[in-house]
Amino acid sequence: DGGITQSPKYLFRKEGQNVTLSCEQNLNHDAMYWYRQDPGQGLRLIYYSQIVNDFQKGDIAEGYSVSREKKESFPLTVTSAQKNPTAFYLCASSNRAPLEQYFGPGTRLTVT
Amino acid sequence: GENVEQHPSTLSVQEGDSAVIKCTYSDSASNYFPWYKQELGKGPQLIIDIRSNVGEKKDQRIAVTLNKTAKHFSLHITETQPEDSAVYFCAASLNTGNQFYFGTGTSLTVIP
Repeated sequence: DGGITQSPKYLFRKEGQNVTLSCEQNLNHDAMYWYRQDPGQGLRLIYYSQIVNDFQKGDIAEGYSVSREKKESFPLTVTSAQKNPTAFYLCASSNRAPLEQYFGPGTRLTVT
Repeated sequence: GENVEQHPSTLSVQEGDSAVIKCTYSDSASNYFPWYKQELGKGPQLIIDIRSNVGEKKDQRIAVTLNKTAKHFSLHITETQPEDSAVYFCAASLNTGNQFYFGTGTSLTVIP
């Protein structure tokens, strides 16, 4: 998992509540990413950020929000507007060159 | 945008045999192709990558080949071991640090 930490590993929430997933990296990487993974499926990009104070929507950004106030941190908020939030969430980071992307251990979010 | 297709979705091999996983991509501008191994409940781990200026790269029992003309690349695992059992993902990206496009994954089972 390199120098990327995600906490907590398991998270349980009631429907209608916002929840924030933590992602921290000490690799001095410029870019950070959030992906969602559903059982038996690939990775879908939620948001990514190439520099501090800047981020772009990925393919499935609706119902999610992010911030990038520090280079090391890229928290993801799953809002009540996300219709089906239960999933495995993966954070990743990469340098611009060479372009190698590393993943954190993931957070499994269950919303009931 | 880029579209990455991965085959097969599941693969079973006897211990000691070779395993081959294939991916195709659509955007000829993609120039970086990583492969990830994901064990159950964990984040993907970068195992090997290749850039468009290289046709083949090897690291012990793992090799990746790239055919830019045909726009496909493959992962080869020789002398497979039970600990190679996992889900493998291919990806494609431009070397500008924007987005990574992932295949849908191959579940590899090595039978002892």
